[in-house]
Amino acid sequence: EIVMTQSPATLSVSPGERATLSCRASQSVSSNLAWYQQKPGQAPRLLIYGASTRATGIPARFSGSGSGTEFTLTISSLQSEDFAVYYCQQYNNWPLYTFGQGTKLEIK
Amino acid sequence: EVQLVESGGGLVKPGGSLRLSCAASGFTFSSYSMNWVRQAPGKGLEWVSSISSSSSYIYYADSVKGRFTISRDNAKNSLYLQMNSLRAEDTAVYYCARESRLGVVPAAMYDAFDIWGQGTMVTVSS
Repeated sequence: EIVMTQSPATLSVSPGERATLSCRASQSVSSNLAWYQQKPGQAPRLLIYGASTRATGIPARFSGSGSGTEFTLTISSLQSEDFAVYYCQQYNNWPLYTFGQGTKLEIK
Repeated sequence: EVQLVESGGGLVKPGGSLRLSCAASGFTFSSYSMNWVRQAPGKGLEWVSSISSSSSYIYYADSVKGRFTISRDNAKNSLYLQMNSLRAEDTAVYYCARESRLGVVPAAMYDAFDIWGQGTMVTVSS
């Protein structure tokens, strides 16, 4: 099983600033990585697939990078609606998809 | 509007059974693989099961293998999860999610869960 480890567990950032979230895979997943955003009481929403491609309707301030075992989600200028929990997910080891444990992005 | 709506959750005793349903609308359900993902209270996301568009391929997480059964009825645009021998650790919100092959160029297509339902809560407790 591929283990996905996200860091930090909690990130405190002020609105307007940049946020950088990390995700590490226990073995290479190539570019088969997605990022999801989840707000309290809501279902997850797809942000990024293929490690770096924004899903339909996702603002340009969200960007993904990396390949292999190291990945990053960057939010360039935080808006109030961006404070949420973010999960990475690998699908290289299809169909045994695995998620990271999540990073909570909170207002500083 | 593309939509997934789960139902069937509730309170069940350990060892009991429950059947979840997911009704799809706004897209050609029979063309997509579908998944169940769960989230225990205050915890992260856990993939549970996957079924291909024609039900030819079915997979389960080790944590539910032998106890849960995924199925679909393309004529009814519906996905199901039969859960037997339920345990306290199965307590979670259960989401159905559509799996799509995304990308612009054929050489760079990637899978992801692009549509999610709102979830249905399953509580296993005596």
